[in-house]
Amino acid sequence: DAGVIQSPRHEVTEMGQEVTLRCKPISGHDYLFWYRQTMMRGLELLIYFNNNVPIDDSGMPEDRFSAKMPNASFSTLKIQPSEPRDSAVYFCASSGLSRETQYFGPGTRLLVL
Amino acid sequence: AQSVTQLGSHVSVSEGALVLLRCNYSSSVPPYLFWYVQYPNQGLQLLLKYTTGATLVKGINGFEAEFKKSETSFHLTKPSAHMSDAAEYFCAVSGRKAAGNKLTFGGGTRVLVKP
Repeated sequence: DAGVIQSPRHEVTEMGQEVTLRCKPISGHDYLFWYRQTMMRGLELLIYFNNNVPIDDSGMPEDRFSAKMPNASFSTLKIQPSEPRDSAVYFCASSGLSRETQYFGPGTRLLVL
Repeated sequence: AQSVTQLGSHVSVSEGALVLLRCNYSSSVPPYLFWYVQYPNQGLQLLLKYTTGATLVKGINGFEAEFKKSETSFHLTKPSAHMSDAAEYFCAVSGRKAAGNKLTFGGGTRVLVKP
């Protein structure tokens, strides 16, 4: 099993640019979660999907952030426009039959200059 | 609402010594409880979890944790630390909803193992 795949692993961009983070969940998993990790705020849930439908986006910080899941094997998290305070590690996780266990990807380290 | 408190953001132990990481939670419903480990520049890996049944849970790499409802605690232990245990450890809680479980994480405890 390939596990959760995220791309890119590292992203450096300038303030105001659009950033798109990508995630491929484990095959057969029907839940997908996006988290953000920062020194100040720790690990925060941004949004999660069930069967490609967004269920809870209450953690999305503001309208600059958007997430989509066009099919069962792909999700994106987009930031437009990006700001320096968006610098963080963004994790994607998925879960399946064992609902309570989430499997995490390696993360995308984002730096906004 | 749920919350998790991990006592101590940094713990230093000698190789071969006991590792004890403390976790207390708050939940209005019986929770599921988890410990995850994060090695440098990697994602989170599940160490162990408590859902139902036996309150002493054994996980990977020799770690175990005990669910104590009366103390609302889920402390993580390992009898003998190894250099490879140096990492950051996160305690997490979720509700028992059948339709997906949102994880709430503690602040993490970074473990340093001294030779």
